[in-house]
Amino acid sequence: EIVMTQSPATLSVSPGERATLSCRASQSISSNLAWYQQKPGQAPRLLIHGAFTRATGVPARFSGGGFGTEFTLTISSLQSEDFAVYYCQQYHNWPPITFGQGTRLEIK
Amino acid sequence: EGQLVESGGGLVQPGGSLRLSCAASGFTFSTFSMHWVRQAPGKGLEWVSYVSSSGSPTYYAESVKGRFTISRDNAKNSLYLQVNTLRDEDTAVYYCARARRYGLDVWGQGTTVTVSS
Repeated sequence: EIVMTQSPATLSVSPGERATLSCRASQSISSNLAWYQQKPGQAPRLLIHGAFTRATGVPARFSGGGFGTEFTLTISSLQSEDFAVYYCQQYHNWPPITFGQGTRLEIK
Repeated sequence: EGQLVESGGGLVQPGGSLRLSCAASGFTFSTFSMHWVRQAPGKGLEWVSYVSSSGSPTYYAESVKGRFTISRDNAKNSLYLQVNTLRDEDTAVYYCARARRYGLDVWGQGTTVTVSS
């Protein structure tokens, strides 16, 4: 099973600033990585797939990067609606599909 | 884009059973594989099960193998999860989600399963 590890657990950033979230895979997953955003009381929403391709309707301020075992999600200028929990997920070798434990992005 | 609506959750005693349902609309359900993903209170996302567009193959997380059964009825645009021998640790919100080769792109709002005596 591929283990996904996200850091930090919580990130405090001011609106308008840049946020960078990290995700590490326990073995190479090529670019088979997705990012999801989850707001309180809501279902997750697919943001990024293929490590860097934005899903339909996702603003350009969201960008993904990385390959192999190290990945990042960057939000260039934080808006109030971006404060949420973010999960990475690998689909390189499954089952099982595995998610990271999440990064909570909170307002500083 | 599509919509998924789960139902069937509730309060059940340890050892009990439930049948969760997921109604799909707005897309050709029969051409998509589907997943169930759950989220325990205050915790992260845990993949539970997968079914292909035709109904086979199916896959399960080790934590639910032998207790949960995924199925689908393409004529009814519906996905199901039969959950048996429930344990306290099965308490969670259960989401159905549409599978793409690159991730899970459409999610339902979830149905809550609470296992408690």
